[in-house]
Amino acid sequence: DGGITQSPKYLFRKEGQNVTLSCEQNLNHDAMYWYRQDPGQGLRLIYYSQIVNDFQKGDIAEGYSVSREKKESFPLTVTSAQKNPTAFYLCASSIGGREVRPQHFGDGTRLSIL
Amino acid sequence: AQSVAQPEDQVNVAEGNPLTVKCTYSVSGNPYLFWYVQYPNRGLQFLLKYITGDNLVKGSYGFEAEFNKSQTSFHLKKPSALVSDSALYFCAVRDDRGSTLGRLYFGRGTQLTVWP
Repeated sequence: DGGITQSPKYLFRKEGQNVTLSCEQNLNHDAMYWYRQDPGQGLRLIYYSQIVNDFQKGDIAEGYSVSREKKESFPLTVTSAQKNPTAFYLCASSIGGREVRPQHFGDGTRLSIL
Repeated sequence: AQSVAQPEDQVNVAEGNPLTVKCTYSVSGNPYLFWYVQYPNRGLQFLLKYITGDNLVKGSYGFEAEFNKSQTSFHLKKPSALVSDSALYFCAVRDDRGSTLGRLYFGRGTQLTVWP
């Protein structure tokens, strides 16, 4: 079945540590997105990529980094500069371009501080 | 700027009653609107979208949404609520401009609780 896989489901970070969240899709989608979800705040866009080897900052990019070396993969690194990383992180993908299609979401990674 | 507002944090209805979850939007350009549902510890699932045409859009699980251009609203509705409809609902508007093409702007979400 086609879909988006996020791993791990739960992740714990120590002080000063960088951690990387995985997002893989087999939908052949060009565009991929990372969101952060906090209670009562909806989804906030961290980074997005419309095509391989290209990505743009979203609304809350500080303390995060991404890469898009393959069409299928869009890993997110939460760096030690992100002082409040505890949240639910969601990855999504879509066909991209002018076609108005929904974004498809993975089941998220919950990140907590040790 | 593109934005979406969901004025109610919580909506409570009795099973079998009709439900409405409200959404208003602000866009530059064409309004492409979406509704998603989220169950606990899961990702978002697509329910329906409005692009153009008929103002009443039908979607998954018996949900529908009414697009109203004059009121800039896109309310989600269901004629008869089920306990299993209890979840977090998000309204979103798509950006259709230049370098930000395709990104979605989400509302804060509305928690729907259906009582048996």
